[in-house]
This record gives sequence, structure tokens and C-alpha cells, in this order.
Amino acid sequence: DVKVTQSSRYLVKRTGEKVFLECVQDMDHENMFWYRQDPGLGLRLIYFSYDVKMKEKGDIPEGYSVSREKKERFSLILESASTNQTSMYLCASSFPSAYVNTGELFFGEGSRLTVL
Amino acid sequence: ELKVEQNPLFLSMQEGKNYTIYCNYSTTSDRLYWYRQDPGKSLESLFVLLSNGAVKQEGRLMASLDTKARLSTLHITAAVHDLSATYFCAVEETSGSRLTFGEGTQLTVNP
Repeated sequence: DVKVTQSSRYLVKRTGEKVFLECVQDMDHENMFWYRQDPGLGLRLIYFSYDVKMKEKGDIPEGYSVSREKKERFSLILESASTNQTSMYLCASSFPSAYVNTGELFFGEGSRLTVL
Repeated sequence: ELKVEQNPLFLSMQEGKNYTIYCNYSTTSDRLYWYRQDPGKSLESLFVLLSNGAVKQEGRLMASLDTKARLSTLHITAAVHDLSATYFCAVEETSGSRLTFGEGTQLTVNP
């Protein structure tokens, strides 16, 4: 089974703090994604990566950055957390759809971040 | 920009009844995915639809895809309480592996 592991299920941080959210997958997937989920807004894509050291902006990248130094690990960084970044953050991974004819995503358990 | 809309967003139904959730999308795609999310949990893959006319069934759930109409449906037959969850559809952009999600349909099945 595919396993996507997010390092922290629940975090509470203060405004202005630097926050790291870590995600590790064990299926040798090339693609990795960070989404945030908010009530009434569904899932919105923050950043994604198709390969090591590559990153692409999603729909809402402002206030976030990412790092992908190893294939299995994709980190989301909030340089200076703000209260409007309080949310559920979901990491996902997949093979390139051109390889396996499906872009099906496999999700981690989520990290619920509260910024005070 | 690809837009994905689901309706209804909230659905309360009685056990034993049938209902359909709709997923419309705005640009050409022939790959659509359905996910289930239980409260406090992550998303679990339900169906992968990869071509026009694709139909998949699992238990009381059946999903279909009409790429010409840019529409997918998730049909619930004889609902049971265990189906209570939020259901998301997601559409894959033709240019790559990126998925765009709908807002989700929160389903509650009442005894």
C-alpha cells in the first residue's frame, strides 16, 4: 500500500513564527503536492513538484515556499505564519500520469495548523 | 483556468433512498477522480474514470463520466448510514498530473 506520512497531525503556532510541514512518501512517486483545505472552499493547490529540486506554484502560493531535496520528501514552509494560514494541510503524491495512465493522488493524514 | 463545481454541496437523505451527486467541469478533460473524506480524516480514493462513458461501481456507489457534457455523476443506491462522509470530485488537467477539486458534497444519511 502507498503510504504518505505527514510529520505532525496538529500544530499550534504564533503569528510570525516559521513553520515547517514535512511529508514523506514510500512509493517512489515523482509527483508531490501540497493542498490546503478550508470549509466551503474544497482543496486548493499551494505548490507541487514533479521531481527533486523542482517546484511549481499552484493556485495559492503566496506566503508559502517548498523544498524537495530528496525524491521521497516534500516540505511546506510558512516563512512568517499568519492567522489566515490556519487550515488543514494535505500532502499527496502520484506517479506521472503519462507513465501509468492515471494521475490518481494518494493523500497523507493531514496536518491541522492553528496560528494564534 | 479549470473550474470544478459539485452539487449539491449538502445532502441529507434517509436510509434506503437513492440520490445523485453531480460534478461539472469547465475545460476538456477525460480523467476524473472521486474521493471520500470522513470527518477529521484524509481523502480516500473511490473511483478513477479515465475515458468518456467510463462507469465504475463499488457497493452502493456508482460513478460515471461524460466527457462531452463535462459531467460526472456519483449515484448512491439504497443509502446506509456508513456512507455519511464528504465526497469530492477532482479533474485532471490535460497538460499534466495536476488535479483540480470541487468544493465537496457533505452527505448525511439518517436512519
